[in-house]
Amino acid sequence: DTEVTQTPKHLVMGMTNKKSLKCEQHMGHRAMYWYKQKAKKPPELMFVYSYEKLSINESVPSRFSPECPNSSLLNLHLHALQPEDSALYLCASSQTFGPLRANVLTFGAGSRLTVL
Amino acid sequence: AQTVTQSQPEMSVQEAETVTLSCTYDTSESDYYLFWYKQPPSRQMILVIRQEAYKQQNATENRFSVNFQKAAKSFSLKISDSQLGDAAMYFCAYRSWEVGNNDMRFGAGTRLTVKP
Repeated sequence: DTEVTQTPKHLVMGMTNKKSLKCEQHMGHRAMYWYKQKAKKPPELMFVYSYEKLSINESVPSRFSPECPNSSLLNLHLHALQPEDSALYLCASSQTFGPLRANVLTFGAGSRLTVL
Repeated sequence: AQTVTQSQPEMSVQEAETVTLSCTYDTSESDYYLFWYKQPPSRQMILVIRQEAYKQQNATENRFSVNFQKAAKSFSLKISDSQLGDAAMYFCAYRSWEVGNNDMRFGAGTRLTVKP
């Protein structure tokens, strides 16, 4: 299994809703990432988990709350979002040790979020 | 901080011809990794090719090759025998060699159109 699976593919939510994005991988990767991508822009790093511990938080607003319940799962909890948070949210994973630490990131297909 | 620059917002190529996408980067590190990812309309980020900075030999993957000029901090991608399926957004990316540095920095991207 060489895939990163993200659900849902599309999500529409109001500013008062609470929703979650989910990401799953079974490649034995111990680093997992959330990126935000606006239209026609490159991905921007939001969070990195390494061995299920948050290692990077790029000053993301608290209305985004990541969670890594185990080495295969990564969630992004959403609450009280703003319309400007509408974007494609990409999950990725990578090795964190050994020669493959070259750390090719394997990406999921993304979750397209629209905040009304 | 490292920065990645792609100066060509858009490029086009005739099917079966060759095209080169440019990328420059700025870093004070001596060891690092460089990548080219493609993102087709399906949104999935797909690794095209990678280069370790300590290797002088340019990486090659089938029709894709790079011209890595470490002193000039240049990392261009050459696509030979272009195919319609090569049409996508191409992102150049940089990753530190430093253990524990899990960030990957992307350039702004180049949109490649392939004309039949």
